[in-house]
Amino acid sequence: AQKVTQAQTEISVVEKEDVTLDCVYETRDTTYYLFWYKQPPSGELVFLIRRNSFDEQNEISGRYSWNFQKSTSSFNFTITASQVVDSAVYFCALSEAQRGGSEKLVFGKGTKLTVNP
Amino acid sequence: DGGITQSPKYLFRKEGQNVTLSCEQNLNHDAMYWYRQDPGQGLRLIYYSQIVNDFQKGDIAEGYSVSREKKESFPLTVTSAQKNPTAFYLCASSFGLAGGYEQYFGPGTRLTVT
Repeated sequence: AQKVTQAQTEISVVEKEDVTLDCVYETRDTTYYLFWYKQPPSGELVFLIRRNSFDEQNEISGRYSWNFQKSTSSFNFTITASQVVDSAVYFCALSEAQRGGSEKLVFGKGTKLTVNP
Repeated sequence: DGGITQSPKYLFRKEGQNVTLSCEQNLNHDAMYWYRQDPGQGLRLIYYSQIVNDFQKGDIAEGYSVSREKKESFPLTVTSAQKNPTAFYLCASSFGLAGGYEQYFGPGTRLTVT
């Protein structure tokens, strides 16, 4: 069965610090997709990024960057110069192939990030 | 504005009562999903639907039921058979069930059963 592990349950940093959220996954599929979502205190999950298994290029979007390494089955997320508005729970997810060609998302348990002023 | 609507935001029910949570999307997405989130936990899939009049059980379907009579709507009923119904319920939609499409989420309904 596919699995996503976010070993860091909670992280607390001071504003302007860099922070990395770890995500390790397990899958037997050769084609799969990885995702990161942000859940602010309001509760709604916000999509951040999708990465397919054939694209190992790192991605940067503003203060956010993602490091995908198939060799270690990791898809880590770094926030540079963190801000209070980054405080949220962050979820890593893996698409899991089903019979009939459909997929479903398997979520990690999330990492709660608190950025203190 | 396109998006997913869930209502109500907070819902209170007495034990033994069925309750229906609504989910509507105007994104023209084919696939829709229901998840349950408990404190400190990730999201667990209850039901999902790829097209109208078709839906599949997820990992924790016992005690829940759904319908998909319209493309835009995917209501979830929490029945009295669900042993621990108090939770945060999230509805999501995507263009399809394959191809790694990202899912878009609604604001959620927090259900409390006493």
